[in-house]
Amino acid sequence: KAGVTQTPRYLIKTRGQQVTLSCSPISGHRSVSWYQQTPGQGLQFLFEYFSETQRNKGNFPGRFSGRQFSNSRSEMNVSTLELGDSALYLCASSPGHGGNQPQHFGDGTRLSIL
Amino acid sequence: TQLLEQSPQFLSIQEGENLTVYCNSSSVFSSLQWYRQEPGEGPVLLVTVVTGGEVKKLKRLTFQFGDARKDSSLHITAAQTGDTGLYLCAGESSNYKLTFGKGTLLTVNP
Repeated sequence: KAGVTQTPRYLIKTRGQQVTLSCSPISGHRSVSWYQQTPGQGLQFLFEYFSETQRNKGNFPGRFSGRQFSNSRSEMNVSTLELGDSALYLCASSPGHGGNQPQHFGDGTRLSIL
Repeated sequence: TQLLEQSPQFLSIQEGENLTVYCNSSSVFSSLQWYRQEPGEGPVLLVTVVTGGEVKKLKRLTFQFGDARKDSSLHITAAQTGDTGLYLCAGESSNYKLTFGKGTLLTVNP
């Protein structure tokens, strides 16, 4: 069974640009969550999508947005990039939305802002 | 905002030693998950504990959920070099959001 696939693995952008990251969940999983991981703040929840609807949202500015498609694949977009957006962005899928759902993580997209 | 404090932040031990890492909060969680993350990879789920006072064993790893469901510990017996990694705890709140601690970076030296 294929795991969670994130593309691209590495990305370099400059301040002010925008970026789109992609996540393909495990087959049959309908929930996709996004996290930002930095050395200083650790893993922080961005948002969760289930059945193409945003179900939960973390405390990030509106520059961070996402969407989910009918095949459960998800994309995350960050506009007007700032230096502080440099991080590892992780996507995790789970079978459903609700309590006690184990998160299956991809290996992340390493985003560097110059 | 619910916070999870993990301690110690860094731990370096010799192969064969025992260790315990802690995950503490002032908030109650409906469940708590432990993950291990290796360099260049995403976190991998080790265990989920749900009931206060619950103890789960996974080979040489023992996980405990506090009676009040606010804290948890992970004990590793006879650590091996393959146990090296970043150990993360994550608490699930009533709205199903996961809050992660910043992790304990464990290095097991041969």
